[in-house]
Amino acid sequence: AQKITQTQPGMFVQEKEAVTLDCTYDTSDPSYGLFWYKQPSSGEMIFLIYQGSYDQQNATEGRYSLNFQKARKSANLVISASQLGDSAMYFCAMREGRTTGKLIFGQGTTLQVKP
Amino acid sequence: DAGVTQSPTHLIKTRGQQVTLRCSPKSGHDTVSWYQQALGQGPQFIFQYYEEEERQRGNFPDRFSGHQFPNYSSELNVNALLLGDSALYLCASSSFGLAGEITDTQYFGPGTRLTVL
Repeated sequence: AQKITQTQPGMFVQEKEAVTLDCTYDTSDPSYGLFWYKQPSSGEMIFLIYQGSYDQQNATEGRYSLNFQKARKSANLVISASQLGDSAMYFCAMREGRTTGKLIFGQGTTLQVKP
Repeated sequence: DAGVTQSPTHLIKTRGQQVTLRCSPKSGHDTVSWYQQALGQGPQFIFQYYEEEERQRGNFPDRFSGHQFPNYSSELNVNALLLGDSALYLCASSSFGLAGEITDTQYFGPGTRLTVL
């Protein structure tokens, strides 16, 4: 069974509008971390935001926020005020437990920002 | 503050050959993980090195091996290359705390694009 599911292969958003990228996860470990990475066409994986399973508040980093719904096992990324430079592939990833460095990635969502 | 660096950027090999990819972690990090990303897919975990030992391994054959040096840099070696080994290879660095827990986010390098002909 897939542990990280991103159901949107591709998304379009108008410049300056907000967009939500979906991510659901599956784990039985009570301690885990959820990450979002951006991958432009150049290939580098750029860290955006992190949410720990015990964090009470939703994580925010500038224009990025993570809508963490633990009971539903979802960790959606919200990008506010989209910019043309946001066009890229976005990956949701999970780290199970606190002593492993292994990240499990979803299939990714391609976001295109329209001018 | 230097980020994660990888070399080379691109590499072309033929089937059956061997390849070595290199990675230097972000300043202050002591752990290196390697990932393989096939075209159109999410990265897949190959293995992780900490204190010069392989700490964890993903579902990859023994043709994939690695090494970590005392300065925390790392190499990924792939023997007997197959066409299916063509991919972007990503290195990520992080650090472990004294209690053995991950204390930092994994930061990735720019990757090495390997083409096997």
